[in-house]
Amino acid sequence: DQQVKQNSPSLSVQEGRISILNCDYTNSMFDYFLWYKKYPAEGPTFLISISSIKDKNEDGRFTVFLNKSAKHLSLHIVPSQPGDSAVYFCAVSGSRLTFGEGTQLTVNP
Amino acid sequence: DAGITQSPRHKVTETGTPVTLRCHQTENHRYMYWYRQDPGHGLRLIHYSYGVKDTDKGEVSDGYSVSRSKTEDFLLTLESATSSQTSVYFCAIRGTGGVSPLHFGNGTRLTVT
Repeated sequence: DQQVKQNSPSLSVQEGRISILNCDYTNSMFDYFLWYKKYPAEGPTFLISISSIKDKNEDGRFTVFLNKSAKHLSLHIVPSQPGDSAVYFCAVSGSRLTFGEGTQLTVNP
Repeated sequence: DAGITQSPRHKVTETGTPVTLRCHQTENHRYMYWYRQDPGHGLRLIHYSYGVKDTDKGEVSDGYSVSRSKTEDFLLTLESATSSQTSVYFCAIRGTGGVSPLHFGNGTRLTVT
């Protein structure tokens, strides 16, 4: 029973363009949503979050959008930089944190 | 970085042997977690702790046990390792302020041959 799905295992974009990573969830009771970034041989690091009472949260180049009616979460990175190349996990918070499968983002110079 | 240290960073062991992974934190956080990361599955919760001697199961707890005798240490034990437990294991900690994000250690890569 996959409560959180990231349907794109990988995404490749050009430096300077926008990266859009997507995440779908099944339970409308989730109240907090997060994105983590992971580099090889390191642990995931927290990137940005959004509460269910909002539909957008922005932090510098990173913006998270929440569409509650569609149960859809997205992360926009603009402009994308080569250093953004990493695996991105979305996570949803109910009684505990549940992670998606991850999307490998590659930003090409 | 949050003060989390996982040991060992790498381990190779044989099927049927016991294995213990250690997570040590210097943040005095109440909550500690063990996750495993596998391709196509993301991060899955094994066990977590909400205080000394207080632990509970996650979604993939079969074959694993945990112990927390001190605030700073959370141990994950594989009583009899199997090849399906080959994975990267991450420890995470969380404070108690509202919805605090998890902070992860750098992981332990375990290979069971």
